[in-house]
Amino acid sequence: NAGVMQNPRHLVRRRGQEARLRCSPMKGHSHVYWYRQLPEEGLKFMVYLQKENIIDESGMPKERFSAEFPKEGPSILRIQQVVRGDSAAYFCASSPSSATNEKLFFGSGTQLSVL
Amino acid sequence: AQRVTQPEKLLSVFKGAPVELKCNYSYSGSPELFWYVQYSRQRLQLLLRHISRESIKGFTADLNKGETSFHLKKPFAQEEDSAMYYCALSSGTSYGKLTFGQGTILTVHP
Repeated sequence: NAGVMQNPRHLVRRRGQEARLRCSPMKGHSHVYWYRQLPEEGLKFMVYLQKENIIDESGMPKERFSAEFPKEGPSILRIQQVVRGDSAAYFCASSPSSATNEKLFFGSGTQLSVL
Repeated sequence: AQRVTQPEKLLSVFKGAPVELKCNYSYSGSPELFWYVQYSRQRLQLLLRHISRESIKGFTADLNKGETSFHLKKPFAQEEDSAMYYCALSSGTSYGKLTFGQGTILTVHP
């Protein structure tokens, strides 16, 4: 089991472009979380998805950000019309169940840089 | 709203010395707390959770509801303990949504 896979590791975009971040959860995991880490800050929850459903998107900015976790394929975090303030490390985590004490397995993250 | 505070951004100790990484939280309900660790060039991983009352790699953490703290302790630090440590709080939902502290970089000198 290769663990949670995120790609790309580094993504450079110019202002106004779109960024698509991918996350493949661990085998057997159907629960995916996205977190964002701004410089000098801790990880901030963005969205929680189960297969084909968004369960909690309370941490997602209302505009330009969207997330999906289709029946087949990886979870995608999409940022439209990126701005410099979107520059951050984006982490994906997965778990086998939704229990509050369930261990989260994190990916290596995608470092987004907006020029 | 829930909040996790790690007052020390950097913590340095010598090998063999005791170490304590501080974590304070604010939460109105019954909290579930975790410590996550990120070693150099590795992924963020769970170190321990308070409900398990476990000791991992010599680390322990006790939930003190009176002081709203969940400090991480180890009696004798090792060089391989050098890492970034995050305290996290489960946010009272029925799933694993976490509120993280800002993190503490621990450096253990030889």
